[in-house]
Amino acid sequence: KNEVEQSPQNLTAQEGEFITINCSYSVGISALHWLQQHPGGGIVSLFMLSSGKKKHGRLIATINIQEKHSSLHITASHPRDSAVYICAVRSAYGGSQGNLIFGKGTKLSVKP
Amino acid sequence: NAGVTQTPKFRILKIGQSMTLQCTQDMNHNYMYWYRQDPGMGLKLIYYSVGAGITDKGEVPNGYNVSRSTTEDFPLRLELAAPSQTSVYFCASSGERVTEAFFGQGTRLTVV
Repeated sequence: KNEVEQSPQNLTAQEGEFITINCSYSVGISALHWLQQHPGGGIVSLFMLSSGKKKHGRLIATINIQEKHSSLHITASHPRDSAVYICAVRSAYGGSQGNLIFGKGTKLSVKP
Repeated sequence: NAGVTQTPKFRILKIGQSMTLQCTQDMNHNYMYWYRQDPGMGLKLIYYSVGAGITDKGEVPNGYNVSRSTTEDFPLRLELAAPSQTSVYFCASSGERVTEAFFGQGTRLTVV
C-alpha cells in the first residue's frame, strides 16, 4: 500500500463545477503539500499545510491531522484548471531530511 | 527571481552514454533534491543534499551520482545510461524541512 493515496485518479468536470480531490496518508507528517503539474510538465506548489485550512483564490485546501486526510477544493472550475494535482507529505521522522513522499496524482480535465 | 533552473529540458541518449543534468537555485536554500517521475507513478527521490558538501541517497539512487560543491548547484550525473533511466527528472529545493518546495521545469530524458 502506498503511503500517500489520492482519489480519484482521473476527474472530468464541466466548467463551473465544484471539484474535490482527496488525499490520505499513513505516515506521521510535519507538513502536506498540494502541487499542480500542467501539460508540459512544470510543477508548482499550491499550498503547504500543517493544520486547518488555507484559501487562495478559487482554491481551498484542508487537512485533518487526526484522520490523516486532506482535500483540495476548486470552486467555479475553469478549463485552465486542467492539470495533474499532486499531494505530497513531508515525513515527521528521520530518513531523507525534509523529503517529500508523493501521491500518484489526480488528472483533472475541465470541459468548457 | 529565477527560482530553480534545470537544463536541458529534453535529451535523447544512447545506451552507455553519460550526461549531467544541471540544477541551480538562487534562493540560498540548503535542501536540494532530485526526483524522477515515471508514467502513472508518484515522484521518487533519487538523491538529496542538506547543504554544500553533503549528499545522500534517496529511494532510487542506482545508476546516478550527485555532487554539491556550492549551495546553488546540485548536478545529477548518469554514467552509463540504460533504458530504465528513461523518465522525467525534477530538481527541487526548500529552505528548511517544513517550508514550501520549489521545483524546476523538469528534464525529459529518453535512453535508446
